[in-house]
Order: sequence, then C-alpha cells, then structure tokens
Amino acid sequence: TQLLEQSPQFLSIQEGENLTVYCNSSSVFSSLQWYRQEPGEGPVLLVTVVTGGEVKKLKRLTFQFGDARKDSSLHITAAQPGDTGLYLCAGGLSTASKLTFGTGTRLQVTL
Amino acid sequence: NAGVTQTPKFRVLKTGQSMTLLCAQDMNHEYMYWYRQDPGMGLRLIHYSVGEGTTAKGEVPDGYNVSRLKKQNFLLGLESAAPSQTSVYFCASSTTFSGGIYGYTFGSGTRLTVV
Repeated sequence: TQLLEQSPQFLSIQEGENLTVYCNSSSVFSSLQWYRQEPGEGPVLLVTVVTGGEVKKLKRLTFQFGDARKDSSLHITAAQPGDTGLYLCAGGLSTASKLTFGTGTRLQVTL
Repeated sequence: NAGVTQTPKFRVLKTGQSMTLLCAQDMNHEYMYWYRQDPGMGLRLIHYSVGEGTTAKGEVPDGYNVSRLKKQNFLLGLESAAPSQTSVYFCASSTTFSGGIYGYTFGSGTRLTVV
C-alpha cells in the first residue's frame, strides 16, 4: 500500500510570507498531483507533474517532483488570504486506476 | 462545461432510510469515483468504475452500492442509512495518459446527515 505523508498538517501565516508544503512517500509514483480545496467545495486540481526533477510554476505557486519520484513540494511566494484552504497531494501509478491521496495540509493566511 | 455535477447538495436521512446520490460528468471520462471526506480522516475511496458497466470496491465499501449504466453517470446508493454514514460525499472523474491517471475533476459534494 502506497502512503503519502504531508507536512506540516496545519500552517497559519500572515499575508506576504513564504511557505513550503511537503509530500513524502516510500513508494515511487509515475505522476503526482496537487489539489486545493476551499470550504464547502470539492478539491480542484492545480498541477500534475510526471518527470523526476520536474518543476512547474503557477503564478506564485511552484511545484517540484523529486528526482526519485517519491516526493514533491509546493512552495507559495508572498501568500495571500485567497491561498487559504486544504492542500492535497496525490500520487498515481501507470498501472493503477485510482490515486493515492496525502493526509492534507490546512493553510490559513491572515491579513 | 459543467464538469462533474452532484445531486443533491444536502440531505438529511433518518436511520434505516435509503437514498441514491447521482454523479454526472460531461467530459467523456472513462474513470469515475466516489469518496467520503470526514474530519481528520481525509478522502476515503468508497467505490470506483473504470468504464461503463464496471464497478470495483474501494477501501470503505460496506453499506454502499454503485452502478454505472451509462458512461456519464455514476450512482451511489445507501441501502439502510446509519449515523456512521454522516459525511461529505465527493464524486470525481478522470482521464488517463501513458503514465497513468492525469488528475481528478471533483464535484462540489453532497453533505449527508443521518439522524
């Protein structure tokens, strides 16, 4: 069974600060996705990374897939209150028909 | 594009009642899923389907049944609701690529309370 551990579990920061969320596993994944979930809504896909060492940027968000494809990080620059939410990573295998979800990181950004 | 639509959005059931949650997607995705999300438990997979007419059990299938008679629809049934089934239910669909599943598109959820 593949497990994805996210850290930290909770993060409360002020607007303008930078932060990094980590997603770690002992298993190798063929793809890694990041989602953001706002209260009362379903998770929304932010990015999919598929190559070891790959870096993708989405405005102030930077996503990296580890070289060994066992871990990933999400870095947010100059956080804003609109970044508040639950961040989930999810790993996929080329032979699997479902994703393995991480434990989640709840981020709160205050003014 | 509506994406994934779940109905109803809210429901209150009495213990022992039955109900069906409907999920519809308009993206021609092959794969569809039902998850439940509870505080501190994360997303847990109930059942999933890799194509019309096929279904498979996830990690918490007991007390639920599913059907995928049409590619665009995935129904989740509760035969005899129990308070332990109070949760937020999410449907998702996905497409694939050579490396596996590209990513899920989730519905906005159904908040179910069983009293």
